[in-house]
Parts: sequence; C-alpha cells; structure tokens
Amino acid sequence: GEDVEQSLFLSVREGDSSVINCTYTDSSSTYLYWYKQEPGAGLQLLTYIFSNMDMKQDQRLTVLLNKKDKHLSLRIADTQTGDSALYCCAERRRGSQGNLIFGKGTKLSVKP
Amino acid sequence: DGGITQSPKYLFRKEGQNVTLSCEQNLNHDAMYWYRQDPGQGLRLIYYSQIVNDFQKGDIAEGYSVSREKKESFPLTVTSAQKNPTAFYLCASSIGLKEAFFGQGTRLTVV
Repeated sequence: GEDVEQSLFLSVREGDSSVINCTYTDSSSTYLYWYKQEPGAGLQLLTYIFSNMDMKQDQRLTVLLNKKDKHLSLRIADTQTGDSALYCCAERRRGSQGNLIFGKGTKLSVKP
Repeated sequence: DGGITQSPKYLFRKEGQNVTLSCEQNLNHDAMYWYRQDPGQGLRLIYYSQIVNDFQKGDIAEGYSVSREKKESFPLTVTSAQKNPTAFYLCASSIGLKEAFFGQGTRLTVV
C-alpha cells in the first residue's frame, strides 16, 4: 500500500469546518506536514507538527496527531471559498536525510 | 524577499531533446530537492542535495541529471532518456530537518 494515504476529495459548504485526514505507515516519522497547493502553483507550507506532539493550533488550523494509529488530521475552521485547493500531507522519516514522503493530496472544494 | 525561484514557468521539449530547469534560492538553505508531480499522484523525489558538490538519487532518478556547483542553485536536466517527461516539476529547499519550502513549479510538456 501507499506510504501516506489521503482521501482524494472533500466538499464542504462555506462557513463549515473541514477535516482532512491522512494516515502514514512509518512509526519513525519525526515531522509531519500539511501543504496547500493552488492549481498550477507550488506547495505552500500551512503547518507542521513534531512527532512528540498531539495537537497544534494556528489561527483557523488545528492539527491532530494520533501516533498510535499513525493518523494525522487537519481541521480548517470557518472554511472559505479561498481555501479551495489541494491539501498534501507529508512525513519526514528519521534518517531520511530530509526527504519528504507525500500523499496524493485531498482536493477540497468549498461551495458558497 | 527570500525565496525559491524556478524558471521557466512553462517549457516545451521536442522528442530527443535535453532541457534544463532552473532552481535558485536565496534562503541560505543547505538542502535542495527536485520533485515530480503527475495528476492523481503524490510528489515523487527525483534528486536531492544536502551540500554543495554532492547529490543523491531519489526514487525516480532515471532519465534526469543534476548539478550542485553553488549553494544557491540546483538545476535539473531532463534528458532524452526520460521516456515520459511531461509533468509538473517542483524544486524545494530546507535547512536542517525542518520544513521544506517550494518554488512555483515548471510545467514541462513534450511536443
């Protein structure tokens, strides 16, 4: 199976919360990241969490990490149409020399 | 402003041609990376470099070559040996083991 897995699509209404999920397989992961990608553009780092943390909050974004289940989630509060994009989960493994392993990305569509 | 600059934004290659994608960073980052993105797939690592004059193959290095003569620059050459080069190419850099910052990408199309 894939090293990092995400649902491919998520659709929400403007003002609702969005929750994007990610599972990974390597327990040696040190950092886990969420990137946002607009069409035809590069990846923008949204937030990251160190593996010894359970939760990190940054304005409208909340990251939850369940190390036991190797599950990472990104919650976007009060989702706006400008949040529509591809959201990519990535992990950095211990000893990987800095390489990131990416999921395929979840395409978030926000309907007005 | 500090950042990573990729050029060109769009690139067209004829069959059998080599083309070079540029990546420059002024973040003073030691590590630089090249990823390839295809529709419906996650980013895949082509090559990476942790230090000047040194680089390693990633998961899909065949048909690609790189150089790292300067800290700021990490150009990627797509050779004629790469049989399916049409893709979106992303360059990134990082310092230590922290987050990687990405350029805006180059879309390469074979014509």
